[in-house]
Amino acid sequence: SQQGEEDPQALSIQEGENATMNCSYKTSINNLQWYRQNSGRGLVHLILIRSNEREKHSGRLRVTLDTSKKSSSLLITASRAADTASYFCATASSGTYKYIFGTGTRLKVLA
Amino acid sequence: NAGVMQNPRHLVRRRGQEARLRCSPMKGHSHVYWYRQLPEEGLKFMVYLQKENIIDESGMPKERFSAEFPKEGPSILRIQQVVRGDSAAYFCASSQTGDGGTEAFFGQGTRLTVV
Repeated sequence: SQQGEEDPQALSIQEGENATMNCSYKTSINNLQWYRQNSGRGLVHLILIRSNEREKHSGRLRVTLDTSKKSSSLLITASRAADTASYFCATASSGTYKYIFGTGTRLKVLA
Repeated sequence: NAGVMQNPRHLVRRRGQEARLRCSPMKGHSHVYWYRQLPEEGLKFMVYLQKENIIDESGMPKERFSAEFPKEGPSILRIQQVVRGDSAAYFCASSQTGDGGTEAFFGQGTRLTVV
């Protein structure tokens, strides 16, 4: 079954540095979404990238999608302590509605 | 637009009791999804519903769990005769379309603790 997997599982960086997280998946997708989850809280939608898009930006976020490698990356530039959270990718297979989540990357930004 | 509203935020139940979790989708959204998250894990799909219809319940345990999305009112996830293993965060999401082509927005979740 399809399963997104984020890499690395945990990442610790200094404030001001860039953070890069990767997501791999197994089947053809319709779109891929990235979410942030602060400890004990709900999920915040960050960005959706469609299968025919290669790159998308939103503020300090940059998402890329390589459908040939079945992978996506999330780049957070100039990180802040408030970016500390878990980040998940979720994929929707072509023609389906079911969003499949990866296990997440736990990002810690040190002030 | 208030976003996806879930209540209660926290729910404590004794073993054997029933838990009812409610989800009101975003305005204009008629597609609802329920997910379960265990501590330190990702979200696992449980069920997908449209108004008055269960479309996919492949992630729901075969017994004790049920879901509905009536014509009027919120979607309900019901867990009967709860056990300690049901303790988890349950998240609801809604989307405008059901073809995976639009964003899915999540509620804040209901954290169920079974004692």
